[in-house]
Amino acid sequence: GENVEQHPSTLSVQEGDSAVIKCTYSDSASNYFPWYKQELGKRPQLIIDIRSNVGEKKDQRIAVTLNKTAKHFSLHITETQPEDSAVYFCAASKTNFGNEKLTFGTGTRLTIIP
Amino acid sequence: SAVISQKPSRDICQRGTSLTIQCQVDSQVTMMFWYRQQPGQSLTLIATANQGSEATYESGFVIDKFPISRPNLTFSTLTVSNMSPEDSSIYLCSLLGGATAETQYFGPGTRLLVL
Repeated sequence: GENVEQHPSTLSVQEGDSAVIKCTYSDSASNYFPWYKQELGKRPQLIIDIRSNVGEKKDQRIAVTLNKTAKHFSLHITETQPEDSAVYFCAASKTNFGNEKLTFGTGTRLTIIP
Repeated sequence: SAVISQKPSRDICQRGTSLTIQCQVDSQVTMMFWYRQQPGQSLTLIATANQGSEATYESGFVIDKFPISRPNLTFSTLTVSNMSPEDSSIYLCSLLGGATAETQYFGPGTRLLVL
Protein backbone atom coordinates (compact mmCIF):
# COMPACT_ATOMS: atom_id res chain seq x y z
CA GLY A 1 0.00 0.00 0.00
CA GLU A 2 0.83 3.67 -0.11
CA ASN A 3 3.35 5.09 2.36
CA VAL A 4 3.73 8.85 2.92
CA GLU A 5 6.70 10.30 4.76
CA GLN A 6 6.70 13.89 6.02
CA HIS A 7 9.51 16.13 7.23
CA PRO A 8 10.25 17.92 9.45
CA SER A 9 8.15 16.81 12.40
CA THR A 10 8.50 20.23 14.02
CA LEU A 11 9.33 23.60 12.50
CA SER A 12 9.74 27.01 14.08
CA VAL A 13 10.05 30.13 11.96
CA GLN A 14 10.08 33.83 12.65
CA GLU A 15 6.94 35.70 11.74
CA GLY A 16 7.24 36.97 8.19
CA ASP A 17 9.67 34.25 7.11
CA SER A 18 8.80 31.30 4.88
CA ALA A 19 8.07 27.72 5.92
CA VAL A 20 8.55 24.61 3.80
CA ILE A 21 7.23 21.14 4.58
CA LYS A 22 8.19 18.16 2.44
CA CYS A 23 6.50 14.82 1.75
CA THR A 24 7.38 11.76 -0.26
CA TYR A 25 5.06 9.00 -1.40
CA SER A 26 5.69 5.45 -2.53
CA ASP A 27 2.86 4.55 -4.93
CA SER A 28 3.44 5.99 -8.39
CA ALA A 29 -0.30 5.53 -9.11
CA SER A 30 -1.24 8.17 -6.52
CA ASN A 31 -2.63 11.20 -8.31
CA TYR A 32 -4.16 13.49 -5.70
CA PHE A 33 -2.20 15.26 -2.94
CA PRO A 34 -4.06 17.41 -0.40
CA TRP A 35 -2.65 19.36 2.53
CA TYR A 36 -4.58 19.75 5.76
CA LYS A 37 -4.15 22.18 8.63
CA GLN A 38 -5.25 21.08 12.08
CA GLU A 39 -5.45 23.60 14.88
CA LEU A 40 -5.51 22.39 18.46
CA GLY A 41 -8.79 20.67 19.25
CA LYS A 42 -10.16 21.20 15.77
CA ARG A 43 -10.83 19.02 12.77
CA PRO A 44 -8.34 18.85 9.84
CA GLN A 45 -9.15 21.53 7.26
CA LEU A 46 -8.09 21.36 3.63
CA ILE A 47 -5.85 24.30 2.75
CA ILE A 48 -4.64 23.37 -0.73
CA ASP A 49 -4.43 20.36 -3.01
CA ILE A 50 -2.70 19.38 -6.23
CA ARG A 51 -3.34 16.74 -8.87
CA SER A 52 -0.69 14.79 -10.68
CA ASN A 53 -1.20 16.62 -13.98
CA VAL A 54 -0.05 19.89 -12.39
CA GLY A 55 3.44 20.78 -11.16
CA GLU A 56 2.61 23.75 -8.97
CA LYS A 57 -0.42 25.45 -7.48
CA LYS A 58 -0.63 28.68 -5.53
CA ASP A 59 -3.30 30.25 -3.36
CA GLN A 60 -2.26 33.60 -1.89
CA ARG A 61 0.52 32.85 0.65
CA ILE A 62 0.32 29.09 0.21
CA ALA A 63 1.80 27.06 -2.63
CA VAL A 64 2.32 23.37 -3.31
CA THR A 65 4.81 21.84 -5.73
CA LEU A 66 4.80 18.29 -7.05
CA ASN A 67 7.63 16.28 -8.59
CA LYS A 68 6.10 13.08 -9.96
CA THR A 69 9.40 11.62 -11.06
CA ALA A 70 10.90 11.90 -7.59
CA LYS A 71 7.52 11.21 -5.94
CA HIS A 72 7.66 14.16 -3.62
CA PHE A 73 5.57 17.24 -2.98
CA SER A 74 6.07 20.27 -0.77
CA LEU A 75 4.02 22.93 0.98
CA HIS A 76 5.34 26.48 0.96
CA ILE A 77 3.95 29.18 3.23
CA THR A 78 5.29 32.69 2.68
CA GLU A 79 5.05 35.74 4.93
CA THR A 80 4.08 33.55 7.86
CA GLN A 81 1.71 34.88 10.49
CA PRO A 82 0.95 33.71 14.06
CA GLU A 83 -2.34 32.18 12.88
CA ASP A 84 -0.34 29.81 10.68
CA SER A 85 0.75 27.97 13.83
CA ALA A 86 -0.83 24.50 13.65
CA VAL A 87 -0.12 20.91 12.69
CA TYR A 88 0.04 20.33 8.94
CA PHE A 89 -0.59 16.96 7.30
CA CYS A 90 0.15 15.94 3.76
CA ALA A 91 -1.75 13.06 2.18
CA ALA A 92 -1.94 11.03 -1.00
CA SER A 93 -4.67 9.07 -2.73
CA LYS A 94 -5.58 7.40 -5.99
CA THR A 95 -8.78 9.00 -7.18
CA ASN A 96 -11.06 7.73 -9.91
CA PHE A 97 -10.09 4.18 -9.09
CA GLY A 98 -12.97 3.64 -6.68
CA ASN A 99 -10.37 3.77 -3.93
CA GLU A 100 -10.28 7.35 -2.75
CA LYS A 101 -8.92 6.64 0.69
CA LEU A 102 -6.26 9.03 1.94
CA THR A 103 -2.90 8.00 3.34
CA PHE A 104 -1.60 10.69 5.66
CA GLY A 105 1.90 11.77 6.51
CA THR A 106 2.98 11.92 10.14
CA GLY A 107 2.40 15.66 10.48
CA THR A 108 4.49 18.79 11.03
CA ARG A 109 3.96 21.03 14.02
CA LEU A 110 4.60 24.56 12.76
CA THR A 111 5.21 27.32 15.28
CA ILE A 112 5.41 30.94 14.20
CA ILE A 113 7.54 33.03 16.53
CA PRO A 114 6.23 36.60 16.84
CA SER B 1 -19.65 22.08 1.16
CA ALA B 2 -21.63 19.58 3.24
CA VAL B 3 -22.18 20.14 6.94
CA ILE B 4 -20.96 17.18 9.00
CA SER B 5 -21.87 16.61 12.62
CA GLN B 6 -20.80 13.94 15.07
CA LYS B 7 -22.26 12.75 18.35
CA PRO B 8 -21.05 12.61 21.01
CA SER B 9 -18.36 15.27 20.80
CA ARG B 10 -16.53 13.61 23.68
CA ASP B 11 -17.02 10.82 26.17
CA ILE B 12 -15.30 9.09 29.05
CA CYS B 13 -15.94 5.36 29.17
CA GLN B 14 -15.00 2.41 31.32
CA ARG B 15 -12.95 -0.41 29.88
CA GLY B 16 -14.97 -3.32 28.58
CA THR B 17 -17.90 -1.17 27.50
CA SER B 18 -18.86 -0.07 23.97
CA LEU B 19 -19.58 3.35 22.47
CA THR B 20 -21.45 4.15 19.28
CA ILE B 21 -20.44 7.32 17.45
CA GLN B 22 -22.86 8.92 15.02
CA CYS B 23 -22.00 10.88 11.89
CA GLN B 24 -24.71 12.94 10.20
CA VAL B 25 -24.39 14.79 6.90
CA ASP B 26 -26.80 17.39 5.55
CA SER B 27 -26.61 16.03 1.98
CA GLN B 28 -26.43 12.61 0.37
CA VAL B 29 -22.96 11.15 -0.06
CA THR B 30 -21.88 7.80 -1.46
CA MET B 31 -18.62 7.21 0.35
CA MET B 32 -17.96 7.90 4.01
CA PHE B 33 -14.80 7.15 5.91
CA TRP B 34 -13.92 6.61 9.54
CA TYR B 35 -10.51 7.63 10.87
CA ARG B 36 -8.74 7.33 14.20
CA GLN B 37 -6.29 9.93 15.49
CA GLN B 38 -4.40 8.82 18.55
CA PRO B 39 -3.03 11.53 20.84
CA GLY B 40 -0.37 13.58 19.07
CA GLN B 41 -0.47 11.30 16.03
CA SER B 42 -1.60 11.38 12.43
CA LEU B 43 -4.88 10.11 11.04
CA THR B 44 -5.30 6.42 10.30
CA LEU B 45 -8.15 5.09 8.19
CA ILE B 46 -10.29 2.50 9.96
CA ALA B 47 -12.76 1.68 7.21
CA THR B 48 -14.66 2.92 4.18
CA ALA B 49 -18.45 2.80 4.43
CA ASN B 50 -20.61 2.76 1.33
CA GLN B 51 -24.36 2.75 1.61
CA GLY B 52 -25.88 -0.64 0.90
CA SER B 53 -22.71 -2.66 1.28
CA GLU B 54 -20.45 -3.96 4.00
CA ALA B 55 -17.75 -1.62 5.20
CA THR B 56 -14.22 -2.21 3.93
CA TYR B 57 -11.71 -2.37 6.78
CA GLU B 58 -8.04 -1.45 6.66
CA SER B 59 -5.29 -3.72 7.87
CA GLY B 60 -5.26 -3.86 11.64
CA PHE B 61 -8.95 -3.07 12.07
CA VAL B 62 -11.68 -5.72 12.29
CA ILE B 63 -15.45 -5.63 12.17
CA ASP B 64 -15.88 -7.27 15.56
CA LYS B 65 -13.99 -4.42 17.22
CA PHE B 66 -15.27 -1.55 15.04
CA PRO B 67 -18.68 -2.44 13.59
CA ILE B 68 -19.99 0.17 11.17
CA SER B 69 -23.48 0.84 9.94
CA ARG B 70 -24.48 2.87 6.89
CA PRO B 71 -28.28 2.73 6.75
CA ASN B 72 -28.68 5.63 4.29
CA LEU B 73 -26.76 8.23 2.31
CA THR B 74 -26.68 10.82 5.10
CA PHE B 75 -25.81 8.79 8.20
CA SER B 76 -23.25 6.34 9.54
CA THR B 77 -22.26 4.94 12.91
CA LEU B 78 -19.00 3.54 14.24
CA THR B 79 -19.03 1.40 17.37
CA VAL B 80 -15.90 0.94 19.44
CA SER B 81 -16.45 -2.39 21.18
CA ASN B 82 -15.02 -3.87 24.36
CA MET B 83 -12.94 -0.76 24.89
CA SER B 84 -9.50 -0.62 26.47
CA PRO B 85 -7.37 2.44 27.33
CA GLU B 86 -5.54 1.95 24.01
CA ASP B 87 -8.77 2.95 22.25
CA SER B 88 -8.50 6.47 23.68
CA SER B 89 -8.38 8.58 20.53
CA ILE B 90 -10.24 11.06 18.41
CA TYR B 91 -12.56 9.35 15.94
CA LEU B 92 -13.48 11.31 12.82
CA CYS B 93 -15.84 10.63 9.98
CA SER B 94 -15.22 12.13 6.57
CA LEU B 95 -16.78 12.27 3.15
CA LEU B 96 -15.83 13.10 -0.40
CA GLY B 97 -16.83 16.48 -1.70
CA GLY B 98 -15.72 19.38 -3.83
CA ALA B 99 -16.21 19.99 -7.53
CA THR B 100 -14.56 16.71 -8.54
CA ALA B 101 -15.55 14.70 -5.43
CA GLU B 102 -11.90 14.04 -4.68
CA THR B 103 -11.53 16.11 -1.53
CA GLN B 104 -12.20 14.66 1.90
CA TYR B 105 -13.97 16.82 4.44
CA PHE B 106 -13.93 15.87 8.08
CA GLY B 107 -16.45 15.92 10.85
CA PRO B 108 -15.58 17.66 14.13
CA GLY B 109 -14.48 14.40 15.73
CA THR B 110 -15.37 12.46 18.87
CA ARG B 111 -12.83 12.55 21.70
CA LEU B 112 -12.88 9.25 23.54
CA LEU B 113 -11.11 8.57 26.81
CA VAL B 114 -11.20 5.01 28.15
CA LEU B 115 -10.36 4.51 31.81
